[in-house]
Amino acid sequence: QKEVEQDPGPLSVPEGAIVSLNCTYSNSAFQYFMWYRQYSRKGPELLMYTYSSGNKEDGRFTAQVDKSSKYISLFIRDSQPSDSATYLCASNAGGTSYGKLTFGQGTILTVHP
Amino acid sequence: NAGVMQNPRHLVRRRGQEARLRCSPMKGHSHVYWYRQLPEEGLKFMVYLQKENIIDESGMPKERFSAEFPKEGPSILRIQQVVRGDSAAYFCASSSDLDTEAFFGQGTRLTVV
Repeated sequence: QKEVEQDPGPLSVPEGAIVSLNCTYSNSAFQYFMWYRQYSRKGPELLMYTYSSGNKEDGRFTAQVDKSSKYISLFIRDSQPSDSATYLCASNAGGTSYGKLTFGQGTILTVHP
Repeated sequence: NAGVMQNPRHLVRRRGQEARLRCSPMKGHSHVYWYRQLPEEGLKFMVYLQKENIIDESGMPKERFSAEFPKEGPSILRIQQVVRGDSAAYFCASSSDLDTEAFFGQGTRLTVV
């Protein structure tokens, strides 16, 4: 079983739709949870970063963590064609391993006009 | 402030040759992480280095792969006697002592022919 599971999609939605991206994780040592966005042939860029269970909002993006069920979500409101990318969830155990991330497989999102 | 710089962006090697991938972390960052992204797979952690020290190499293949982060100059990921299965995108990330965020470079795409 992979430590972080993510539905690879692909996911195709019309412009303006609400997008829900989800991951589950199995390692109870994971403390930090991130969402990265990766455009084609580019490096991943950090979108959202959370530590505790609950919601964190940044503009059109909301990250949600439920540690009791080991479930991570990213919601995108009013999706735009420029949101078309691969979205990667990631987790780490913190401490001396801040940058040692375990990634999901990534979900390919296409937002069409 | 320049981001994480990786070079070359594209590298073609024949089977049996050596590949050297370079990574210059963001200014002020002393922690470097290397990841590999195989086609249709997510990012996989390879190695974590600080200046002149390998901290965690649990994701490195046991043979042919090595990494260093000298006191002066970029971090180097070296792959000896490359095989076709080494063809992938290799990403470097860096973080500072105080941050928990890891910032990624644009990657080096290695093609073994």
